[in-house]
Amino acid sequence: GQQLNQSPQSMFIQEGEDVSMNCTSSSIFNTWLWYKQDPGEGPVLLIALYKAGELTSNGRLTAQFGITRKDSFLNISASIPSDVGIYFCAGPGRGGGADGLTFGKGTHLIIQP
Amino acid sequence: GAGVSQSPSNKVTEKGKDVELRCDPISGHTALYWYRQSLGQGLEFLIYFQGNSAPDKSGLPSDRFSAERTGGSVSTLTIQRTQQEDSAVYLCASSLGRVRTEAFFGQGTRLTVV
Repeated sequence: GQQLNQSPQSMFIQEGEDVSMNCTSSSIFNTWLWYKQDPGEGPVLLIALYKAGELTSNGRLTAQFGITRKDSFLNISASIPSDVGIYFCAGPGRGGGADGLTFGKGTHLIIQP
Repeated sequence: GAGVSQSPSNKVTEKGKDVELRCDPISGHTALYWYRQSLGQGLEFLIYFQGNSAPDKSGLPSDRFSAERTGGSVSTLTIQRTQQEDSAVYLCASSLGRVRTEAFFGQGTRLTVV
């Protein structure tokens, strides 16, 4: 199946700092999805990207679909305590859903007071 | 319903017993996924249903795991002869399928095998 490499694995930041994380694949993805998971909850969709080069914002979150279609990044500006959680990138790999959605291993975001 | 619903939310079972986990997807969603998540880990793909097509079972870890989707809606994940290593959170998600692949997750079922 498809492999997604997500980095960094974890981030320790101060409240108010900007955050940047990325996801890369050895194969082309037609869609990039970014999710956030709070403890004890299921992942929640943050942003969906469908076109190479697309830049999409959702409040303080901004995500981009890389031109090569093999990478994507997620930025969070002016982090706040509720941003703590695990952020996952995901994509369908091929066939618009065949093989299921493939997920990265996640970036654990920890905000220090 | 408004979102993906999973039941039970928690399940404790004895090693060797069978368990059934249920998922009610969002109405109209043709695609349904099951994932497994161990503590602090990523999402492990188990199985994928798309409409009336044969399910993609390539992620099922052993023949003790099986899943059905009846009437293109509700799905049941069955684990037979549970083992301690089956302890994890089992997450279900649904989407509109190949047209729109954004998947929406339920809260998960936390399975503990003792």
